[in-house]
Formats: sequence, C-alpha cells, structure tokens
Amino acid sequence: AQKITQTQPGMFVQEKEAVTLDCTYDTSDPSYGLFWYKQPSSGEMIFLIYQGSYDQQNATEGRYSLNFQKARKSANLVISASQLGDSAMYFCAMREGRWGAQKLVFGQGTRLTINP
Amino acid sequence: EAGVAQSPRYKIIEKRQSVAFWCNPISGHATLYWYQQILGQGPKLLIQFQNNGVVDDSQLPKDRFSAERLKGVDSTLKIQPAKLEDSAVYLCASSLPLGAGRTGELFFGEGSRLTVL
Repeated sequence: AQKITQTQPGMFVQEKEAVTLDCTYDTSDPSYGLFWYKQPSSGEMIFLIYQGSYDQQNATEGRYSLNFQKARKSANLVISASQLGDSAMYFCAMREGRWGAQKLVFGQGTRLTINP
Repeated sequence: EAGVAQSPRYKIIEKRQSVAFWCNPISGHATLYWYQQILGQGPKLLIQFQNNGVVDDSQLPKDRFSAERLKGVDSTLKIQPAKLEDSAVYLCASSLPLGAGRTGELFFGEGSRLTVL
C-alpha cells in the first residue's frame, strides 16, 4: 500500500495565482514528520517545508505553507503568488523510523507548470 | 558548509557492464542514504547507513547492487551487471539524527544519472 499518495500528476497554474498540491499519507505511528521537496529540471532536491505530527500550528516558510489536517491524514502544500521559477516537480515525503534509523518515504510527485 | 558531493554526474554504459557511484556526505552527518529515482517517479530508498553499519537494505537488489561506507564517511554504490531497468538517477543524501529540535531533514547531492543501453 502506498504510504504517501500524490493524486495530481500534473498541475497548470497562471503566474501570480495560488496553488495547492495534494498529499495524503498513511501511518499508525503517532510520531512522524512530513516534508515537501522541490525538484527543478536540473535534478537537485530542494527542501521547502516541514510539519511534525505534534506541531499544533501549520508550518509556513515564506510563500510556502502546509495545510496539515491530521484526522484526514493530509498535508497539502500551498504556494501563494506563484512565480515562473516555481515550475518543477514537487514531492511529499514522510519520515519513518526512530532515532538513528529515520528515513524518508516519497510520493510519486506532482509536476507543476506556471504559465506566464 | 559544503553540501553532499556525488560523482560522476552522468554515466552511460552497455547492459551487463558495471558502474560505481561515489558519495561524500556533509561533514558530521552520521546517516547516509542511497535513493534510486526512475524518470517520472519519486525517489526509492535502496540502502541506509548509520556510520559504517547498514540500517536498511531491504529494497536493494542484492544480486547486482552493492554498497559500502568505509570508515563511516564516504560511500560507494556499485551495480554489476547492469540491466536496462537500472537507468535512473542515483541520489545520495545525508542527515543528522533526530532530536535537539532536528527534523530528520535529508540533504541531497545533485545525483548521478545512469543510462544503460
């Protein structure tokens, strides 16, 4: 079974609009973390934002915010005022494992294209 | 602070040949990961080291893939013999342990793109 599900293979958005990228996860562990990474065409993985399972507030980092709905097991990424440079693959990932053995499990990704 | 270093960036080989990829993690990062990313998919963990010990290699095709991390610093991933389906980007990442306010974020190298013909 998929532990991280990203249901949008591709998204097309007009520049300056806000966009929401969906992510749902599956775990029975009460302690976990959720990450979003950006992967431009050059290939590097760029960390965007993190949400811990015990965090009371939704995480925000500049134009990025994470809409964390724990009961629904969803962790959607919201990008406000999109820019052409936001065009890339976006991956949602969940941290599994305990101290010293933690790893990230990734979803299939969403390709975001920002149109001028 | 220097990032995760990987080499080579690109490699093209014929099927049944061998190839090796090298990774040097961020200084002080005890945990090192090798991920395989096939075109259009998310990264899949192949092997995870804690210092020079293997923590998880459950998804490593051990009949053809091997990896080592001598002295708990840099690491080598080898494929022998390569198959067409091994064409992918091989991403190395490193991290600090959880705790002390750390999230377990992975820091990635630029990747090594393998094409098997």
